[in-house]
Amino acid sequence: AQTVTQSQPEMSVQEAETVTLSCTYDTSENNYYLFWYKQPPSRQMILVIRQEAYKQQNATENRFSVNFQKAAKSFSLKISDSQLGDTAMYFCAFMKLTGNQFYFGTGTSLTVIP
Amino acid sequence: GAGVSQSPSNKVTEKGKDVELRCDPISGHTALYWYRQSLGQGLEFLIYFQGNSAPDKSGLPSDRFSAERTGGSVSTLTIQRTQQEDSAVYLCASSLESGGPTGELFFGEGSRLTVL
Repeated sequence: AQTVTQSQPEMSVQEAETVTLSCTYDTSENNYYLFWYKQPPSRQMILVIRQEAYKQQNATENRFSVNFQKAAKSFSLKISDSQLGDTAMYFCAFMKLTGNQFYFGTGTSLTVIP
Repeated sequence: GAGVSQSPSNKVTEKGKDVELRCDPISGHTALYWYRQSLGQGLEFLIYFQGNSAPDKSGLPSDRFSAERTGGSVSTLTIQRTQQEDSAVYLCASSLESGGPTGELFFGEGSRLTVL
């Protein structure tokens, strides 16, 4: 079975600073996708960034980047130049390529402080 | 439609009543998921539909929960004889195809269920 662990239930960061959210996962699969989703107070989940396991290069999306360590099964999210709109719950997710099942972590609540 | 649509947005019901929650996925998306999110908790997988294949019901917590997907599009999640512990936000998500090129899930805004 696959598991996704987010060990930081809550975090805060000063506006314009950088913050890193941790995620580890456990799987015997070799090919899979990893995701970070954001759930703002409005409730709708939106995709932040995606990483294919077969790609060694870390994904980057504007102020968001990941540190993907496949051997260590670690997938952290770095948010640079934090903005007030980044305040949200962040979920790490794993998807097998076979069966299309998604596994989510318990989330990290991030607060950006003005 | 432009996005995943869920209804109702909020539902308050009395213990013991049945409720139906509806999800209208993005047009053309063959995969549809239901998740449950309790207050301050992560996402609990409930059920997954992929095209015409038999659904993966492994996450349904009890036989009071059921779901169907008609015509490969709209899905209804039914909870019979609701209990207070069923109170949660029920999220629906769809994706383009199984193991598709992006694997991205598109979520609706959820249906908040409160059982009194």
